[in-house]
Amino acid sequence: AQSVAQPEDQVNVAEGNPLTVKCTYSVSGNPYLFWYVQYPNRGLQFLLKYITGDNLVKGSYGFEAEFNKSQTSFHLKKPSALVSDSALYFCAVRDSLLSSGSARQLTFGSGTQLTVLP
Amino acid sequence: DSGVTQTPKHLITATGQRVTLRCSPRSGDLSVYWYQQSLDQGLQFLIQYYNGEERAKGNILERFSAQQFPDLHSELNLSSLELGDSALYFCASSAKEKLANYGYTFGSGTRLTVV
Repeated sequence: AQSVAQPEDQVNVAEGNPLTVKCTYSVSGNPYLFWYVQYPNRGLQFLLKYITGDNLVKGSYGFEAEFNKSQTSFHLKKPSALVSDSALYFCAVRDSLLSSGSARQLTFGSGTQLTVLP
Repeated sequence: DSGVTQTPKHLITATGQRVTLRCSPRSGDLSVYWYQQSLDQGLQFLIQYYNGEERAKGNILERFSAQQFPDLHSELNLSSLELGDSALYFCASSAKEKLANYGYTFGSGTRLTVV
């Protein structure tokens, strides 16, 4: 079974400071990892992904994420936060190892509300 | 505009009633996924269809059902509605060969309020 955990419901950071939103995962094979962002009354928007290759992944709006296999983590980071980054962030995982009847869909974390204070 | 269209955007209905939510996937995408987002349960996977066939089931209640039509649009039917069914219902689509690269494309959701 695949699962993902976002241990923080809420993250507050001052504008201009670096931000980190944490995510850990559990899969049987290798993970496909994603970050999505949700603004109020909107659907989820793709930010970045890790499939294979470099552990540091760069995505939209200056966000990046670091894949750490030994710690089974995929934390989202940004060097300098903007007030407009305030939103709900979701980490998602899918196991690359698929067998009959296993999940083909993404499993999402519970979300982390990021608030960037001016 | 993501390319995934959900209608209606808002729906208010009474307990015990039945509603139908509609989703048109992004052009070329064969897979449709339905998710329920509520404050206490987060984003829960309900069901997936691929090219008209059911592929995977998640935490979908027996009162709920879905189907995908030949033109690839999908409908989620919710019946005998309860107050606890109030939530945002999202549809997402993906192309099989692109799932690993881009994940899903989400619609903007249908906000269901049961009163």
